[in-house]
Amino acid sequence: ETGVTQTPRHLVMGMTNKKSLKCEQHLGHNAMYWYKQSAKKPLELMFVYSLEERVENNSVPSRFSPECPNSSHLFLHLHTLQPEDSALYLCASSQEFMTGSGANVLTFGAGSRLTVL
Amino acid sequence: QKEVEQNSGPLSVPEGAIASLNCTYSDRGSQSFFWYRQYSGKSPELIMFIYSNGDKEDGRFTAQLNKASQYVSLLIRDSQPSDSATYLCAVNIDGGNTGFQKLVFGTGTRLLVSP
Repeated sequence: ETGVTQTPRHLVMGMTNKKSLKCEQHLGHNAMYWYKQSAKKPLELMFVYSLEERVENNSVPSRFSPECPNSSHLFLHLHTLQPEDSALYLCASSQEFMTGSGANVLTFGAGSRLTVL
Repeated sequence: QKEVEQNSGPLSVPEGAIASLNCTYSDRGSQSFFWYRQYSGKSPELIMFIYSNGDKEDGRFTAQLNKASQYVSLLIRDSQPSDSATYLCAVNIDGGNTGFQKLVFGTGTRLLVSP
């Protein structure tokens, strides 16, 4: 497989469920990201990992818990979510983590469409 | 003021015309600017990026950057129905005390190209 793959593509869960989203990148990149995309809103950065170390937690509620066991895999653990958490969750990776010395291009996965009932 | 602003559209152009998509940003220190295309139900994909003032061309696409005016645009020449999508502008914004820059997206402009 190539690029960034996300599973599952679609997930429906109740507010009391626990589920996880998985992301895997096959690009040899060192940084991975979780973004949330809701209707009529811009992409919101949730978490950033660089070389498996979390470098950004963008004021995300604790009901979202990321995990990065290695530079190729990223998880988003979900528990006691709210209906307003229904959205498209996008994983992305970049060659290096963005620093003040420049920027890096993001490659996105296809996304996981989450519906919370 | 939003960090990255785009007109949500839709912008309607006939096939073969030039589509002009605009984006303004708030951080004067921003150095890197990106245009992503997102088809309905799909994930964003990079079209091009620009770092320097002026124009950058890639095939039918031209990105234009004016840092003094804090303005970046994307021109699509000879527009095709397959160009119909949402175009996202993204800008590197200073992350403050964190020491890194974060990529901030606009809400996107929906482009419709009619045959």
